[in-house]
Amino acid sequence: DTGVSQDPRHKITKRGQNVTFRCDPISEHNRLYWYRQTLGQGPEFLTYFQNEAQLEKSRLLSDRFSAERPKGSFSTLEIQRTEQGDSAMYLCASSLRGTGGSTGANVLTFGAGSRLTVL
Amino acid sequence: TQLLEQSPQFLSIQEGENLTVYCNSSSVFSSLQWYRQEPGEGPVLLVTVVTGGEVKKLKRLTFQFGDARKDSSLHITAAQPGDTGLYLCAGGSRERRFGAGTRLTVKP
Repeated sequence: DTGVSQDPRHKITKRGQNVTFRCDPISEHNRLYWYRQTLGQGPEFLTYFQNEAQLEKSRLLSDRFSAERPKGSFSTLEIQRTEQGDSAMYLCASSLRGTGGSTGANVLTFGAGSRLTVL
Repeated sequence: TQLLEQSPQFLSIQEGENLTVYCNSSSVFSSLQWYRQEPGEGPVLLVTVVTGGEVKKLKRLTFQFGDARKDSSLHITAAQPGDTGLYLCAGGSRERRFGAGTRLTVKP
């Protein structure tokens, strides 16, 4: 297993354009998370999926943001009509939702991130 | 929303010194995790603490979970330049929210 993969690693776009990021989680992981991180800050939670179901969305996720995980495997995060304030690192993480409250459950494995620059 | 506050925000020390960074919340957590993040990379898990009062050691790093499970600390003994990075705490049963982190620089 190669870990969590994110593509592209870097994206430069002009304001108003749409961008899409892809995340391929660890294959046996059933939970997938998206975070946004700006310089000097910790990751901000955006949304997470358990299998194909989107269970939680942050209010940070405006109507210009949409995330999908259609088959419970890879996920995409689309940003429509990008704004300069969307410039950030978009991080994906996956975990295995265990049963019985194991401390190993919900350990997040992160990808290297997709850095977005909106000009 | 369960907020996690980390302090200090920045810390710059000389190699060989000891340091402690803190993660505090007004909420009770079933568990807290500590991650380290290097520039251009995603965070990497260091440890998970679960039981109030728990102490875990990872080589020169000592992690403690508060008795009330609202706070945690990370102590590094004899810091090395390789310890440089952003130290993040995270909690929450589902969405895993992160603090803003402590950016540590260890100078040779």
